[in-house]
Amino acid sequence: SQQGEEDPQALSIQEGENATMNCSYKTSINNLQWYRQNSGRGLVHLILIRSNEREKHSGRLRVTLDTSKKSSSLLITASRAADTASYFCATADYGQNFVFGPGTRLSVLP
Amino acid sequence: DTGVSQNPRHKITKRGQNVTFRCDPISEHNRLYWYRQTLGQGPEFLTYFQNEAQLEKSRLLSDRFSAERPKGSFSTLEIQRTEQGDSAMYLCASSSPQGPGETQYFGPGTRLLVL
Repeated sequence: SQQGEEDPQALSIQEGENATMNCSYKTSINNLQWYRQNSGRGLVHLILIRSNEREKHSGRLRVTLDTSKKSSSLLITASRAADTASYFCATADYGQNFVFGPGTRLSVLP
Repeated sequence: DTGVSQNPRHKITKRGQNVTFRCDPISEHNRLYWYRQTLGQGPEFLTYFQNEAQLEKSRLLSDRFSAERPKGSFSTLEIQRTEQGDSAMYLCASSSPQGPGETQYFGPGTRLLVL
């Protein structure tokens, strides 16, 4: 079974609004990563946050990690139509296990 | 740019036929991963190589599936006696030798349709 579970499954917002997606997981992790996938394409790495970090920024992206709650959130600020994609969290443990959640489908309407 | 490449990008086959996919990782990456992704789901891990050694295989990888990485560079994934349930996107990823759990770089995938 997949460890990461994203919430919501689908999100529709207007251009310029912020989008927040959440990810929950079950076991101890080394790091947590967020990926984006445009329709029918490969995955693109967005950001990696390590288990000893609480927050990380990259451009319009902000990721938080709460290891006590085993959860992470991805915030995309000032969304654009080009942000329309599926977003996946992936957890990496201290071995080689790398597990993806089912993803959040984000639609940004112009 | 020498990112991860996969060939073919699309494959249509009839049930019972064998298919083989190829993945060329980023040249300095010693780890290579195969995933399967069905519509509306996240990628599911299939198998993992460090150099030429296949170190882990998922229970999803039935006896009909075999993967190789003979010289520690490119890898092939073969599916024998394909079934309609094998229809999916097959993704390859590679990562650098910095340690477990480092960023994986994905190829564009091979979309398989079994008729």
